[in-house]
Amino acid sequence: GQNIDQPTEMTATEGAIVQINCTYQTSGFNGLFWYQQHAGEAPTFLSYNVLDGLEEKGRFSSFLSRSKGYSYLLLKELQMKDSASYLCAVRDSDGGFKTIFGAGTRLFVKA
Amino acid sequence: KAGVTQTPRYLIKTRGQQVTLSCSPISGHRSVSWYQQTPGQGLQFLFEYFSETQRNKGNFPGRFSGRQFSNSRSEMNVSTLELGDSALYLCASSLEPSGANVLTFGAGSRLTVL
Repeated sequence: GQNIDQPTEMTATEGAIVQINCTYQTSGFNGLFWYQQHAGEAPTFLSYNVLDGLEEKGRFSSFLSRSKGYSYLLLKELQMKDSASYLCAVRDSDGGFKTIFGAGTRLFVKA
Repeated sequence: KAGVTQTPRYLIKTRGQQVTLSCSPISGHRSVSWYQQTPGQGLQFLFEYFSETQRNKGNFPGRFSGRQFSNSRSEMNVSTLELGDSALYLCASSLEPSGANVLTFGAGSRLTVL
């Protein structure tokens, strides 16, 4: 089966750096995604990792370790608009392709 | 280009009724996935379709069904509605199932069951 764990809530200060962790268990790993979801809106794609290592995209970076079943999303120079839920998702090929989401981490950015 | 379009955006039903939700993917996207989102459970996978075939199904009862048409548009149906089916139903499209399967989500259909 599949299981994805991430913290429920985090709080950080504007201008700071925050790291959101995600651990996963899956039978047929085919990539890990991070999505951002603002309240009342649909999720939007942030990053994709399929190989071990760090992927950097502006203020956001995502890291993957397949052997540890672990990923993190790093947000730098936090802005108030970064207050949102961050969803870790795994693409699983076991029994046919599907993307499974974690419950999400609600990030509050305070001034 | 137009995004993923879901209709209706809001609907209210009573227990025992049935509902059909529609999803039009981004032009050129052939894979469509459906999710149920509730505050306590997050996004729960319902099904994924590609080329009119259901490629995978989540752990939902048989009351939840779907289909995909030749133009890649998809519908999902929930029969014999229960109070617990109240949720936001999100549809997402992608180019194809394999590779970097980046999902683009629609705005969702918010279902309230009374």
